[in-house]
Amino acid sequence: EAAVTQSPRNKVTVTGGNVTLSCRQTNSHNYMYWYRQDTGHGLRLIHYSYGAGNLQIGDVPDGYKATRTTQEDFFLLLELASPSQTSLYFCASSRTGNSGNTLYFGEGSRLIVV
Amino acid sequence: QQKVQQSPESLSVPEGGMASLNCTSSDRNFQYFWWYRQHSGEGPKALMSIFSDGDKKEGRFTAHLNKASLHVSLHIRDSQPSDSALYFCAVGMSNYNVLYFGSGTKLTVEP
Repeated sequence: EAAVTQSPRNKVTVTGGNVTLSCRQTNSHNYMYWYRQDTGHGLRLIHYSYGAGNLQIGDVPDGYKATRTTQEDFFLLLELASPSQTSLYFCASSRTGNSGNTLYFGEGSRLIVV
Repeated sequence: QQKVQQSPESLSVPEGGMASLNCTSSDRNFQYFWWYRQHSGEGPKALMSIFSDGDKKEGRFTAHLNKASLHVSLHIRDSQPSDSALYFCAVGMSNYNVLYFGSGTKLTVEP
């Protein structure tokens, strides 16, 4: 099964702080995604990428930047963290962008902004 | 506006019983419906996808799609305590390389 690894698994930061969430997939998948999970909202897409250097905007991009440095690595950046960004963040990958392809998720990164 | 609506929000069934979950898309331009399952403390994992009208069966899980009503259901027969989890419905649109997820149904299977 495809492996997606996220770090850190847990993070607490203060309002206005900088946070970087990291994601690495080792399955040569082209597409990588960042979602946030909140009760009552399910999973909402923040950003995604179809290859190194590429970035596509998702549904809830405000306050987030992302960068895909290699095929394996996708980073989510919160440069001025706010309490509204307290959430559970998931990275996922898929072989292509076709919606018939399976998304493989990491274990999640829980972020608390105080 | 959420593209995917799921019901019920939560569901409790006895061990060995049948669990039925529902999902509707608000956008007719869908290509695939997916069901993902998330156990506590883990990431979501894909259960199955469906894109044709009718039933698709995988073990104890059966998905039923009605394209005309934009509705898909998931039926779990002989439910086990290990089936207790959060179930997400997701819709893949024909023109976009992303999946849109619903808010989930929390299933509890009571021993």
